[in-house]
Amino acid sequence: NAGVMQNPRHLVRRRGQEARLRCSPMKGHSHVYWYRQLPEEGLKFMVYLQKENIIDESGMPKERFSAEFPKEGPSILRIQQVVRGDSAAYFCASSPPTGLNTEAFFGQGTRLTVV
Amino acid sequence: DAKTTQPNSMESNEEEPVHLPCNHSTISGTDYIHWYRQLPSQGPEYVIHGLTSNVNNRMASLAIAEDRKSSTLILHRATLRDAAVYYCILRASTSGYALNFGKGTSLLVTP
Repeated sequence: NAGVMQNPRHLVRRRGQEARLRCSPMKGHSHVYWYRQLPEEGLKFMVYLQKENIIDESGMPKERFSAEFPKEGPSILRIQQVVRGDSAAYFCASSPPTGLNTEAFFGQGTRLTVV
Repeated sequence: DAKTTQPNSMESNEEEPVHLPCNHSTISGTDYIHWYRQLPSQGPEYVIHGLTSNVNNRMASLAIAEDRKSSTLILHRATLRDAAVYYCILRASTSGYALNFGKGTSLLVTP
């Protein structure tokens, strides 16, 4: 019974390159959330997706960032033309068809370093 | 968004109980109170949640005030592995079911 799987665990990109972060939710979970944690700061909500739908992207930067959760395969967080300020830990969480009475399960994160 | 207030940090001795407080005076009737924790260099981990009644599980207990304006997470016997940042979060339909993490309480456990 695998938990939420994120890969890669560590990713190094040069400024201007693209970063692709993958998240495979727990089996049976159709809801995925992405969070960003800057060094020495708290977790900030970015986006909430269901299969093939973005439900809430209020925390996503307006430019360079996008997310998808296709019918098949993992959820992808894509950052284009990365800058040093994108260096952070990115966490994904999944939950069952949701209500307020369910818990979310988090992955171990992808630590992105932009050099 | 419904907000929570927690102390920045707390300290406990190993094998003693720990009571982590959380104020949420603007809670609405349908908001669930969730607690998560984040150990160093790890992803957040679910601890417990409740609505009105006190809750117990293998990790902790959650005591909810009668007026629901505050709650307390209780670790019955703190261990060194419990050293983490503990987040009290109100999960509300108005926030689109997202968990909005605040600054949390950093718990230090000393031997």
